[in-house]
Amino acid sequence: AQSVTQLDSHVSVSEGTPVLLRCNYSSSYSPSLFWYVQHPNKGLQLLLKYTSAATLVKGINGFEAEFKKSETSFHLTKPSAHMSDAAEYFCVVRGGSGGGADGLTFGKGTHLIIQP
Amino acid sequence: EAGVAQSPRYKIIEKRQSVAFWCNPISGHATLYWYQQILGQGPKLLIQFQNNGVVDDSQLPKDRFSAERLKGVDSTLKIQPAKLEDSAVYLCASSRQNLNTEAFFGQGTRLTVV
Repeated sequence: AQSVTQLDSHVSVSEGTPVLLRCNYSSSYSPSLFWYVQHPNKGLQLLLKYTSAATLVKGINGFEAEFKKSETSFHLTKPSAHMSDAAEYFCVVRGGSGGGADGLTFGKGTHLIIQP
Repeated sequence: EAGVAQSPRYKIIEKRQSVAFWCNPISGHATLYWYQQILGQGPKLLIQFQNNGVVDDSQLPKDRFSAERLKGVDSTLKIQPAKLEDSAVYLCASSRQNLNTEAFFGQGTRLTVV
């Protein structure tokens, strides 16, 4: 079985300051990990993915995440927040559980608020 | 490439009525998922298809929900009869048959049961 815990339901930062969204995962298999973003009334968009290559993964819009196996973490960061970053962010794990079932398991989401 | 298409975008029904959602995945994607996203929560997997076969429906409430993907391409999800707690956004996603690839999501269907 696999699971994802997003440690903060809401994060508020000022525009221009760093962003940190925290995620811990649990998986019986070597997981693939993703961060998706969901803007209001928009579909889910992939920010970045980790698939057992480099542990530091760069994504779109200046976001990056670091896979730390020892800590079972995959935290999302951005050096400088922009107003357009305000959205809901989901940490997602995808891992084979046998029989071909490899559905994405979502965390509960972190709502990112950007203060002007 | 064209994205995942879903219809309708919005649906309002009364409890105990039935409703159906349609999804057309990205061409060539063997895997298709249906997710339920209740307001304020992360999406929850309802069912996963590999081509036209079901590989995971462990979280599908089978007494009222059904889904099919007859020709291994598009899919329908049905609810009959609907309950108030079924109010949610229903998301369809597709991906290639590879653990390292991401899933692509449609815009979703927002269902309101009154």
